[in-house]
Amino acid sequence: GESVGLHLPTLSVQEGDNSIINCAYSNSASDYFIWYKQESGKGPQFIIDIRSNMDKRQGQRVTVLLNKTVKHLSLQIAATQPGDSAVYFCAEKIGGYSTLTFGKGTMLLVSP
Amino acid sequence: EPEVTQTPSHQVTQMGQEVILRCVPISNHLYFYWYRQILGQKVEFLVSFYNNEISEKSEIFDDQFSVERPDGSNFTLKIRSTKLEDSAMYFCASSETGGAGQPQHFGDGTRLSIL
Repeated sequence: GESVGLHLPTLSVQEGDNSIINCAYSNSASDYFIWYKQESGKGPQFIIDIRSNMDKRQGQRVTVLLNKTVKHLSLQIAATQPGDSAVYFCAEKIGGYSTLTFGKGTMLLVSP
Repeated sequence: EPEVTQTPSHQVTQMGQEVILRCVPISNHLYFYWYRQILGQKVEFLVSFYNNEISEKSEIFDDQFSVERPDGSNFTLKIRSTKLEDSAMYFCASSETGGAGQPQHFGDGTRLSIL
């Protein structure tokens, strides 16, 4: 099973680099996925979502890729900025149910 | 941009006391949720609420918990007799509908500290 605790996977990048944050989701029946950004002391902030009938979706500076074969989701952030520093969570949902199941999270640290 | 607002931002309570956490969801949203996040851990679903009744709840949401929409704008979470392990951030969220393709939008949470 997945371990929980105080230590988050951390990705450290330089300002201007592209960042890729990965997530393995658990339920093959999940058909909707969301990436959230959580800054210290704040709630999860919606970034981008994707439905299971798509492989890729692009937003402003962000792209989400979905590989249903291996149950893998990634978030790509182009030209990462210091303001992107936060914890990023993927969340999955099964159609017909309202529950979002969150992943453990990855901390992104962007150095100027 | 419309947002979910939560009050208070921090609540300190003695063990065994009742607490009520308050939320104002986004005005045109019909589905409301409560989640919690224990320090350093992932966000966990507690309950969803639609049409004045609970639509789903997790095993965390036991008889000590209740939710209510007392008027047209507020959505509350009550913990009847708090325990030390209830200490966490509690997030309220709302969405336009409950279907796939509808993101849930979160408030900034209430930090609940049980002494």
